Amino acid sequence: GESVGLHLPTLSVQEGDNSIINCAYSNSASDYFIWYKQESGKGPQFIIDIRSNMDKRQGQRVTVLLNKTVKHLSLQIAATQPGDSAVYFCAENRGAAGNKLTFGGGTRVLVKP
Amino acid sequence: DAGVTQSPTHLIKTRGQHVTLRCSPISGHKSVSWYQQVLGQGPQFIFQYYEKEERGRGNFPDRFSARQFPNYSSELNVNALLLGDSALYLCASSVASGTQSSYGYTFGSGTRLTVV
Repeated sequence: GESVGLHLPTLSVQEGDNSIINCAYSNSASDYFIWYKQESGKGPQFIIDIRSNMDKRQGQRVTVLLNKTVKHLSLQIAATQPGDSAVYFCAENRGAAGNKLTFGGGTRVLVKP
Repeated sequence: DAGVTQSPTHLIKTRGQHVTLRCSPISGHKSVSWYQQVLGQGPQFIFQYYEKEERGRGNFPDRFSARQFPNYSSELNVNALLLGDSALYLCASSVASGTQSSYGYTFGSGTRLTVV
């Protein structure tokens, strides 16, 4: 079936460097995407979202890029901090089906001091 | 203001047993969704309830059922437990159903179920 997936299972990054997490999706009809951060023992925490009519969206230290041509989504974290160490998921929300989120497999980000 | 609360936080059950997991949404939220997260994977959608009605169901067997109460809290029930049901069960609440906005879509910390 169609799914949202990630390229890299683990990403090690030096503190202060930028991080880039990638995600591929297969459903060309998807129209809304979200990035979540999950720390150990906690539920997913919303980071940033983007609609399919946009290519880029910026938040505080985070930027999401959407390339609909190749069905690719990325999350950029600027000046990565130790508190950014977590597992990151991209998810697709098919609004017509209610609040059903389809998650990818996750990327673990490890920030080295 | 309390977030989404789930109980219990941890649970150990034997194969074949039944389990009930509970979720209290954020005050004012009328929609509750349940997800199963197997270790090392992303969460998978199980159910969504809104105003006590089922609004969505994922690809899970009939051993999984849920309901929502008049106060919008919810229970997830799993019968005839299998080893493969061991997972983190997450509850998420939101104000409404069908909205394309995740700002108000908040997850609880989950219930860790271990089936032995």
